[in-house]
Amino acid sequence: QVQLVESGGGVVQPGRSLRLSCAASGFTFSSYGMHWVRQAPGKGLEWVTLIWYDGSNKYYADSVKGRFTISRDNSKNTLYLQMNSLRAEDTAVYYCARDKIALAGTFDHWGQGTLVTVSS
Amino acid sequence: QSVLTQPPSASGTPGQRVTISCSGSSSNIGSNTVNWYQQLPGTAPKLLIYSNSQRPSGVPDRFSGSKSGTSASLAISGLQSEDEADYYCAAWDDSLNGVVFGGGTKLTVL
Repeated sequence: QVQLVESGGGVVQPGRSLRLSCAASGFTFSSYGMHWVRQAPGKGLEWVTLIWYDGSNKYYADSVKGRFTISRDNSKNTLYLQMNSLRAEDTAVYYCARDKIALAGTFDHWGQGTLVTVSS
Repeated sequence: QSVLTQPPSASGTPGQRVTISCSGSSSNIGSNTVNWYQQLPGTAPKLLIYSNSQRPSGVPDRFSGSKSGTSASLAISGLQSEDEADYYCAAWDDSLNGVVFGGGTKLTVL
């Protein structure tokens, strides 16, 4: 069965960096686009970024453009999110999600999420 | 302020039919398909409806979706207590070059 397991969350000071990972299993990882979606405490869902199945194209929300970088290692079935210059407003649960249909916002499988807290 | 607009809350009694609306613009709902997600308390979201009206396997046919112009709606018939959750609409936005979500609707089963 499809499994997505995020890791790497934690407490970090403003301005510092953090890298999240998402380990995928149960499907051919290299055939699917992957997203990161976040949810601030008590708030709604916010899309963060998308990477195509082969890493050739990447898209970012304006709120993270220039600070976050999505990448993937298809040989390791792992998705990454490098987060630099973190701000308090980046505090959220970060989910990785599989793309069912390209450029459609259709996430058919989600991980359990990892909490990132940006605080001094 | 979310790009897609949903009512913050909705409610119904067991067995009733409820609908949740999602309003967008020509750059998102008007030119792309709509998806709906259900998020039960303390859990990750789950895909409920995709491509406006398609149900993934395992989703009961009590859930249905539709789209007209720049708006979409989710209907839940035969409301059950386990349907109490937050519901989000989402679509690709051609102007923003990304996915946009609605602010979410909290459904209460009275």
